[in-house]
Amino acid sequence: DAKTTQPTSMDCAEGRAANLPCNHSTISGNEYVYWYRQIHSQGPQYIIHGLKNNETNEMASLIITEDRKSSTLILPHATLRDTAVYYCIGHQGGKLIFGQGTELSVKP
Amino acid sequence: ETGVTQTPRHLVMGMTNKKSLKCEQHLGHNAMYWYKQSAKKPLELMFVYNFKEQTENNSVPSRFSPECPNSSHLFLHLHTLQPEDSALYLCASSQVDRQYNEQFFGPGTRLTVL
Repeated sequence: DAKTTQPTSMDCAEGRAANLPCNHSTISGNEYVYWYRQIHSQGPQYIIHGLKNNETNEMASLIITEDRKSSTLILPHATLRDTAVYYCIGHQGGKLIFGQGTELSVKP
Repeated sequence: ETGVTQTPRHLVMGMTNKKSLKCEQHLGHNAMYWYKQSAKKPLELMFVYNFKEQTENNSVPSRFSPECPNSSHLFLHLHTLQPEDSALYLCASSQVDRQYNEQFFGPGTRLTVL
């Protein structure tokens, strides 16, 4: 599984887009990039995943660079309820290896 | 009930007690997982069960004993725990025979060992 690197923390104003970066330079060709988030004292929640193409769902968009060495999770209109720790995970073979993630604080 | 449920949500136990954590998934998945999350630390994978068979034991001490009687239920039996075992214990499930297999987590059991 690829080692991922994320900023420790980020702030975002309510209603603005939150762009969370992730570096995964050691990712292998068939390894998916997954994003989860964990609101304080709850279980992690799946957000989105991608392989090569950009992806969008009702929660977020995922932009993956062409060389697949980095990606950005975009929350288009952040709300206070989006305050959480966001994890970027390289995923292959069924195991998720969680790092420290990015603590996103959405402020009024 | 939908998704992944865990009981109890909170548990306080002494070091000499025996207790069990229960997880149930209602998603028709064929794999289940136990994770441990200590304060200010990332989630640590403890055990993996695929099709009721244990496929991963991440060097977990024997005072933690998992049991998977069927693909919908997972237990974690606890005995003679230490205060440093106090943590949030999370259960997850997934469908492993798909090309990608996102895991769905339960709300966790907050365990305090006195």
